[in-house]
Amino acid sequence: AQSVTQLDSQVPVFEEAPVELRCNYSSSVSVYLFWYVQYPNQGLQLLLKYLSGSTLVKGINGFEAEFNKSQTSFHLRKPSVHISDTAEYFCAVSDPNDYKLSFGAGTTVTVRA
Amino acid sequence: DAGVTQSPTHLIKTRGQQVTLRCSPKSGHDTVSWYQQALGQGPQFIFQYYEEEERQRGNFPDRFSGHQFPNYSSELNVNALLLGDSALYLCASSGGDRSYNEQFFGPGTRLTVL
Repeated sequence: AQSVTQLDSQVPVFEEAPVELRCNYSSSVSVYLFWYVQYPNQGLQLLLKYLSGSTLVKGINGFEAEFNKSQTSFHLRKPSVHISDTAEYFCAVSDPNDYKLSFGAGTTVTVRA
Repeated sequence: DAGVTQSPTHLIKTRGQQVTLRCSPKSGHDTVSWYQQALGQGPQFIFQYYEEEERQRGNFPDRFSGHQFPNYSSELNVNALLLGDSALYLCASSGGDRSYNEQFFGPGTRLTVL
């Protein structure tokens, strides 16, 4: 069974500074990996996904993530954040032969001016 | 292109009651998954419906049941509500020309059990 650990529960960051959100997964098989964002009182929006191919994945809103199989990690990065990036971010893993997503506990990003 | 829609947006029930939540998938999708998100936690998989059958189930009791209709929309039913069932219930759809693992979420239904 897959599981996800998001290493930071809260990340405060200043506007226009870079941010990195860390995600580690445990799985004995190949995986699909996802990052979702949740704004207050809303559902989840897909930021980016890794299914196969290039390990550097680019998503919406300037976010990117790198799949590192040897370290079983899928860290999310943005070079310059905006106030509007304040939200909850979730990393999720899925087995290609399975159908469910297993989520981490989330990382709260607060961007300050 | 309409995304995933859910109704109602908010619901208040008392312990022991039953509730039905509804979901319409994104156009072109044939699969619906349901997740429970307790306050301050990540979503937990409840079950997935495909071709009107429950294809996979998470670690939830039988009080949680569902249904999928021929038009791919879905319902989540919860019987004998407990205080601990208070959560945001998220519906996600997938399918079409994309992997079934690539799921698109609706805005959720906030259920409060008093």
